[in-house]
Amino acid sequence: AQSVSQHNHHVILSEAASLELGCNYSYGGTVNLFWYVQYPGQHLQLLLKYFSGDPLVKGIKGFEAEFIKSKFSFNLRKPSVQWSDTAEYFCAVNPRAGGSYIPTFGRGTSLIVHP
Amino acid sequence: DGGITQSPKYLFRKEGQNVTLSCEQNLNHDAMYWYRQDPGQGLRLIYYSQIVNDFQKGDIAEGYSVSREKKESFPLTVTSAQKNPTAFYLCASSALGQGEANTEAFFGQGTRLTVV
Repeated sequence: AQSVSQHNHHVILSEAASLELGCNYSYGGTVNLFWYVQYPGQHLQLLLKYFSGDPLVKGIKGFEAEFIKSKFSFNLRKPSVQWSDTAEYFCAVNPRAGGSYIPTFGRGTSLIVHP
Repeated sequence: DGGITQSPKYLFRKEGQNVTLSCEQNLNHDAMYWYRQDPGQGLRLIYYSQIVNDFQKGDIAEGYSVSREKKESFPLTVTSAQKNPTAFYLCASSALGQGEANTEAFFGQGTRLTVV
């Protein structure tokens, strides 16, 4: 079974600071990788996803993530955060083939951005 | 608009009572999931279903039950056997497939259940 580990549980930044949230997964086969965001009072929504091709993927609101296969990592980055980025962020993985396609989520990272 | 609808948004239950949370999707997705979200624990899978009339236990299925009589609907019952039912419950759905056809999960707004 696959598992996902998010290294930072709580992150506090000032506006304009750079952000990097760590995500590592364990699974022996090929996976699809996702970052979801949950803004206060809103439902979970997709931030970005990686299926294949360029390992650097860009998502909404200036976020990007880099898939490093050798490290089983899919870290989320943003060069300059805004107050509106305050939210909870979840990394997720599901197997591409031979598995049950069930999304497995990390524990989440709570990001607070001070204006 | 296509999407997932969960109801109710807030639910209060007395100890010893069963309650059923509704989840409906009009995305024509084969797969549906129930997750429980607790602070600091992320999303934990309760049950999932990939086809009508079939479902599988997730990591924390004890005290819960589901049904999948229609493709669009996947209700979750929280039974009195669930020791700590107060939580935020999320329903999701996704298409099934291999490769790039295997898409992301779409989520409902959630139901916050409180046992009083």
